[in-house]
Amino acid sequence: ELKVEQNPLFLSMQEGKNYTIYCNYSTTSDRLYWYRQDPGKSLESLFVLLSNGAVKQEGRLMASLDTKARLSTLHITAAVHDLSATYFCAVVLNYGGATNKLIFGTGTLLAVQP
Amino acid sequence: AAGVIQSPRHLIKEKRETATLKCYPIPRHDTVYWYQQGPGQDPQFLISFYEKMQSDKGSIPDRFSAQQFSDYHSELNMSSLELGDSALYFCASSLGLRQQETQYFGPGTRLLVL
Repeated sequence: ELKVEQNPLFLSMQEGKNYTIYCNYSTTSDRLYWYRQDPGKSLESLFVLLSNGAVKQEGRLMASLDTKARLSTLHITAAVHDLSATYFCAVVLNYGGATNKLIFGTGTLLAVQP
Repeated sequence: AAGVIQSPRHLIKEKRETATLKCYPIPRHDTVYWYQQGPGQDPQFLISFYEKMQSDKGSIPDRFSAQQFSDYHSELNMSSLELGDSALYFCASSLGLRQQETQYFGPGTRLLVL
């Protein structure tokens, strides 16, 4: 059974600081997604990482994937209050295309303090 | 750009009642996924459809059923509702089951069972 774990679960950081959220998964997968969710809102797709060593950046967020270590990171640079949200990683099981169901991590609640 | 549409957005039901949630995927998307997110929890996969056929099934109770229609919209039918069914129900759509397709989430239906 595929398990996806994130840490930390809660992250309070000051504006202008840098931090990294970690996502570990237990079995082979070649697709990993990062989503953002504001309270009571839908899930917004941030990144999709498709191969070992993949790195993607958008604004103050950068995501990377190491399939050998089964680890993805979401790095936040010079945080601003607008980044406050819950961040989920999600992994697709390696079914060879038979299904694309997402297995979500536990989520990281990020609060950026002024 | 058109997004995934879900209706209703909010729903209040009594125990043992039934509920029907509707999902209209992004135009040309032929794959629909349903997820359930309890308070403070990560989304859990329920069921998915590709080209009107069930493609995968997750932790969906026997009291729930779903289908995808010829216009690709999907309905999730929930019977004998229980208090524990109170959650945010998301529908997501994608184009086919190809490896690189991102799932785009709708705004969700918030179900409260009293």
